[in-house]
Amino acid sequence: DGGITQSPKYLFRKEGQNVTLSCEQNLNHDAMYWYRQDPGQGLRLIYYSQIVNDFQKGDIAEGYSVSREKKESFPLTVTSAQKNPTAFYLCASSTSSGVHNEQFFGPGTRLTVL
Amino acid sequence: AQSVTQLDSHVSVSEGTPVLLRCNYSSSYSPSLFWYVQHPNKGLQLLLKYTSAATLVKGINGFEAEFKKSETSFHLTKPSAHMSDAAEYFCVVSGSGGYQKVTFGTGTKLQVIP
Repeated sequence: DGGITQSPKYLFRKEGQNVTLSCEQNLNHDAMYWYRQDPGQGLRLIYYSQIVNDFQKGDIAEGYSVSREKKESFPLTVTSAQKNPTAFYLCASSTSSGVHNEQFFGPGTRLTVL
Repeated sequence: AQSVTQLDSHVSVSEGTPVLLRCNYSSSYSPSLFWYVQHPNKGLQLLLKYTSAATLVKGINGFEAEFKKSETSFHLTKPSAHMSDAAEYFCVVSGSGGYQKVTFGTGTKLQVIP
């Protein structure tokens, strides 16, 4: 089955720790995205990548980092510099970053800081 | 610049009655518009999309939306609500340019009463 997988489903972090969220897709999509979802705020873009070995900051990149070493993988690291990391994180991909292309979403990772 | 406004944060309907979820947008370009659905603790799933073809767009699960340029609206409707429709719905606008700038609405939670 083609799709996007995210792991883990739930993640708990102590303050001061870095954590990495996994996102893998087997849809052969060029573009990948990371969003943060908070209640009542919709989705906000953290980082996006249009092609392997390239990525750009989104609207709320501070305290986060990414890499895109392989087409199918786009891991997100939440660093200790992120002041309020508790949220639901969604990864998405699309065939390209063209305006008509819908994004396909993974099931999400819920991160809780203890 | 672009923006999207979902006019209702919560909508409650009885099972078997019509559903109307309202969305207004603004965009400097000819936009693409999308509706996504999210069930609790899940990723987003595409319901339908408008990409400058027919203004009445039919989607999955009996949903449809009409693009009205004069009113800058893209309301989502369904003739008869089903219990399984209870979820959160997001209206999304995508503008032209080198990168698919995507803006999410803040979401509308649909409650279906038996």
